[in-house]
Amino acid sequence: NAGVMQNPRHLVRRRGQEARLRCSPMKGHSHVYWYRQLPEEGLKFMVYLQKENIIDESGMPKERFSAEFPKEGPSILRIQQVVRGDSAAYFCASSRTGDSFGTEAFFGQGTRLTVV
Amino acid sequence: AQKVTQAQTEISVVEKEDVTLDCVYETRDTTYYLFWYKQPPSGELVFLIRRNSFDEQNEISGRYSWNFQKSTSSFNFTITASQVVDSAVYFCALSEASKAAGNKLTFGGGTRVLVKP
Repeated sequence: NAGVMQNPRHLVRRRGQEARLRCSPMKGHSHVYWYRQLPEEGLKFMVYLQKENIIDESGMPKERFSAEFPKEGPSILRIQQVVRGDSAAYFCASSRTGDSFGTEAFFGQGTRLTVV
Repeated sequence: AQKVTQAQTEISVVEKEDVTLDCVYETRDTTYYLFWYKQPPSGELVFLIRRNSFDEQNEISGRYSWNFQKSTSSFNFTITASQVVDSAVYFCALSEASKAAGNKLTFGGGTRVLVKP
């Protein structure tokens, strides 16, 4: 059973370009969470999605960032018009259910975005 | 709002010494989960342990042990007889136990552990 798959592992973008980060949850998981880790900092929650729905986007920056988790295919975190401050590691986690009783979220290996 | 504080930013020890990492949390929830994750230099997040707020029994797993004290809102982690491979950043995290929150985690800032040979 494959774990949470994120791609690409490393992404370099020039300022002003778009970055698209993909996350394929574990088989049987329909809940996805995105976190951002700035250099030398802890992980900060960004958004929680269920298939075709955004459940909690309280951690998403108001502009340039969006996320989706379509019925088919991976979850996508999109950053438009990237700036140097977007350089970070972006982690995705997935869980089987929407509550933490008896289940936990499993993390992917992260995508390291570098904006030059 | 939830908050996790790891006051130690970096700890340096010599191999075979014990290392204790402190974690203090704040939450208004009566039911919640606490976690420890390890992030080695390669960057991935490795799950170490999850405890629920009803279970204050401390646990030992190999060289790892955990001390959960609900009265002081602390969830400390100890590595016994440290090894060079234990060098990593360790994160304490907290989640609510509710459908609304899902498995959303609040992380501490991390403690970097450097084990010297």
